Amino acid sequence: QQQVKQSPQSLIVQKGGISIINCAYENTAFDYFPWYQQFPGKGPALLIAIRPDVSEKKEGRFTISFNKSAKQFSLHIMDSQPGDSATYFCAAGGGSASKIIFGSGTRLSIRP
Amino acid sequence: DTGVSQNPRHKITKRGQNVTFRCDPISEHNRLYWYRQTLGQGPEFLTYFQNEAQLEKSRLLSDRFSAERPKGSFSTLEIQRTEQGDSAMYLCASTGAETQYFGPGTRLLVL
Repeated sequence: QQQVKQSPQSLIVQKGGISIINCAYENTAFDYFPWYQQFPGKGPALLIAIRPDVSEKKEGRFTISFNKSAKQFSLHIMDSQPGDSATYFCAAGGGSASKIIFGSGTRLSIRP
Repeated sequence: DTGVSQNPRHKITKRGQNVTFRCDPISEHNRLYWYRQTLGQGPEFLTYFQNEAQLEKSRLLSDRFSAERPKGSFSTLEIQRTEQGDSAMYLCASTGAETQYFGPGTRLLVL
């Protein structure tokens, strides 16, 4: 059962543009929503995370928007740069000690 | 502290052979996780340790798979009688609080 659905599968954005990746979850017990960035040959690295008691969290050029009633959250990358080209995974977890359920990933390419 | 390390980074084996992977977590992290990632997919949870206790196992972890964390520090993941379907990246992560820090993974290819 896929508990975290991610879209789009791939995304091409011009340098300086805004990249938007969307995710939806099913399990209302989830209370931790991280985004991971993965480069080829590397393990995933935490980018930014949010808890459902806030609707938005911003760190530098990266913003998570969270809609608890719709069970949806999204990642916005402002002023996208070629170095942002990577695969991005949304994820969800139920408490700090629990496993993380990952989405299927979005391959982002930033065109110079 | 150099982060989570995994060895070997790559492993090629023949079907039916046994393989063992090692994960060294960030020191003092008491929780350690194993995930499997196939091409074009997100990581899938396999199992989780708190200190030396294995607290949860996924249904993905068949009886050919076994994981240990004998002293609550490093962990090993063994796959017996490997099958071609076992070909994947095996990722280890550790955490002391909330954020899971991932290692670089071990890429397994079963011929």
